[in-house]
Amino acid sequence: GAVVSQHPSRVICKSGTSVKIECRSLDFQATTMFWYRQFPKQSLMLMATSNEGSKATYEQGVEKDKFLINHASLTLSTLTVTSAHPEDSSFYICSAKTGLGNTIYFGEGSWLTVV
Amino acid sequence: AQSVTQLDSQVPVFEEAPVELRCNYSSSVSVYLFWYVQYPNQGLQLLLKYLSGSTLVKGINGFEAEFNKSQTSFHLRKPSVHISDTAEYFCAVSDLGGGYQKVTFGTGTKLQVIP
Repeated sequence: GAVVSQHPSRVICKSGTSVKIECRSLDFQATTMFWYRQFPKQSLMLMATSNEGSKATYEQGVEKDKFLINHASLTLSTLTVTSAHPEDSSFYICSAKTGLGNTIYFGEGSWLTVV
Repeated sequence: AQSVTQLDSQVPVFEEAPVELRCNYSSSVSVYLFWYVQYPNQGLQLLLKYLSGSTLVKGINGFEAEFNKSQTSFHLRKPSVHISDTAEYFCAVSDLGGGYQKVTFGTGTKLQVIP
């Protein structure tokens, strides 16, 4: 089946620095990718929808200048958390929509800890 | 707008007993329905999906779910659970329109299988 890979799986960064998380579709082209955030004991919340070659669409309440999303190719989307703060510590997970059918595949997720 | 309700936040069940995890949704348009499983410290894995056709959907690991349009439900069932089924289960819906197919998740149900 389709595979979506995220990197890094775990990252610790200092407060005030920026960190980039990559989401790759390994065996299919994904025109649309989604980024989610999951806080402890809560469900996944959609942050933004990323379309190849165009600006991402952010959900209400998500700061687009803080969470920079780039979808430079049909197999790669990146999420950059700028000027990270401890409250940004969370589980970030991406998903990609295949061109055929209507199935969305998820990456393994990335644990971000800001200290 | 669409929403998903998982009424049970935690479901303890003895090993080899049957289990049902409840999911109700609301949407003004036709939707696709999914169940995902999240094992500790891992990403999401698709269990099963309903797109169209037969309302009884069989997934991996012996799970199945039944789509009930009149009751707007998509309950997940397994006739005999194993210890390895201990995980968090998320019900999700995705609309059919807009080209983006946002996925909306329920708050999750933690299945605890007791030896």
